[in-house]
Amino acid sequence: DAGITQSPRHKVTETGTPVTLRCHQTENHRYMYWYRQDPGHGLRLIHYSYGVKDTDKGEVSDGYSVSRSKTEDFLLTLESATSSQTSVYFCAIRSGTGRNEKLFFGSGTQLSVL
Amino acid sequence: DQQVKQNSPSLSVQEGRISILNCDYTNSMFDYFLWYKKYPAEGPTFLISISSIKDKNEDGRFTVFLNKSAKHLSLHIVPSQPGDSAVYFCAASAWGTGNQFYFGTGTSLTVIP
Repeated sequence: DAGITQSPRHKVTETGTPVTLRCHQTENHRYMYWYRQDPGHGLRLIHYSYGVKDTDKGEVSDGYSVSRSKTEDFLLTLESATSSQTSVYFCAIRSGTGRNEKLFFGSGTQLSVL
Repeated sequence: DQQVKQNSPSLSVQEGRISILNCDYTNSMFDYFLWYKKYPAEGPTFLISISSIKDKNEDGRFTVFLNKSAKHLSLHIVPSQPGDSAVYFCAASAWGTGNQFYFGTGTSLTVIP
């Protein structure tokens, strides 16, 4: 357990509404990531952060924004949710150095956009 | 375009036998590879990794083999146990290229008692 908490665990929302998912870590890791998992696509990177206020896009960033105002919290926002954003969202932190690094994942948020 | 590919969506193996999960990659800059295991309703958990300076890494029942010329890696589980039934993802990264980890589409392993 790398001290990662995702909230909420489940969310049902309507198309066009804003949604924010929260990732909280307790171990002061610099790098945090948001992935989505979809059948046939595996895990795809949405956005990641390499420090407070330092973020960058991943391969599927359209329709998503992120913020990191504190080391421990990384927020993922869907400004106007669409049905294509129905997915399981995972937050991860990176631990280790050099070629000994690895990602540790939270338990995920199941998001359904109706 | 998927840079890491797992071409077998599913695999069934008898308990006690060997499970072999395969992964291919296209980016020759990748130099570090990982395997993750995922149970339903849980986040992926790290299983084993290998650096490109090695061609094999072993941890208990799990061994990862890397063939750089073929851009191929495989995970061997010996002997397979029913608790190994899960989805397995391979992942890759390239040193100094944006700190990103690229994941495959996953292989669902079922170990039959």
